[in-house]
Amino acid sequence: AQSVTQLGSHVSVSEGALVLLRCNYSSSVPPYLFWYVQYPNQGLQLLLKYTSAATLVKGINGFEAEFKKSETSFHLTKPSAHMSDAAEYFCAVSDQAGGGADGLTFGKGTHLIIQP
Amino acid sequence: GAVVSQHPSWVICKSGTSVKIECRSLDFQATTMFWYRQFPKQSLMLMATSNEGSKATYEQGVEKDKFLINHASLTLSTLTVTSAHPEDSSFYICSASILARYEQYFGPGTRLTVT
Repeated sequence: AQSVTQLGSHVSVSEGALVLLRCNYSSSVPPYLFWYVQYPNQGLQLLLKYTSAATLVKGINGFEAEFKKSETSFHLTKPSAHMSDAAEYFCAVSDQAGGGADGLTFGKGTHLIIQP
Repeated sequence: GAVVSQHPSWVICKSGTSVKIECRSLDFQATTMFWYRQFPKQSLMLMATSNEGSKATYEQGVEKDKFLINHASLTLSTLTVTSAHPEDSSFYICSASILARYEQYFGPGTRLTVT
């Protein structure tokens, strides 16, 4: 069984400040890990994914995440927050063995608030 | 590329009636399609996984006779909520994947309100 824990249902940062959204996972098999962003009344958009290649993954909109097996973490960061980054962020995990044919297990989400 | 559409985007139906939601991959053929449910301000919960021409695999606790899934082609999957009740009101989201691409492409979602 897999699970995802996102620490902090709400995170507030100032515009220009570092964004750090935390994600820890539990998986009995090697995982694939994903970060998705959801803007109000819109579908999910993939920010980045880890699929057992480089542990530091760069995504769209200046976001990146680092897979740390020893810490079972996949935290999302962005050096400088923009107002347009305000949205809901979801961390998700799937089973590598499924080859992409498995459904995703999502965390509860983190609402990112950007203060002007 | 990799666009997934859902129709309708919002539907209101009366208790006891059935409603069908369509999910289409517009510019690719999907190996697998998934249906998720999202309650307000909560996470997405996987309901079922379907492959073209096969019966859907439902997650534990999801009533297969209530949530009928048909995956008739590589570009179309439908979710029918039968005998809907107010507690079925939710945001239903589909996604589609291509084998070995390790990525799901999500539709914009369908908001179902049962009155």
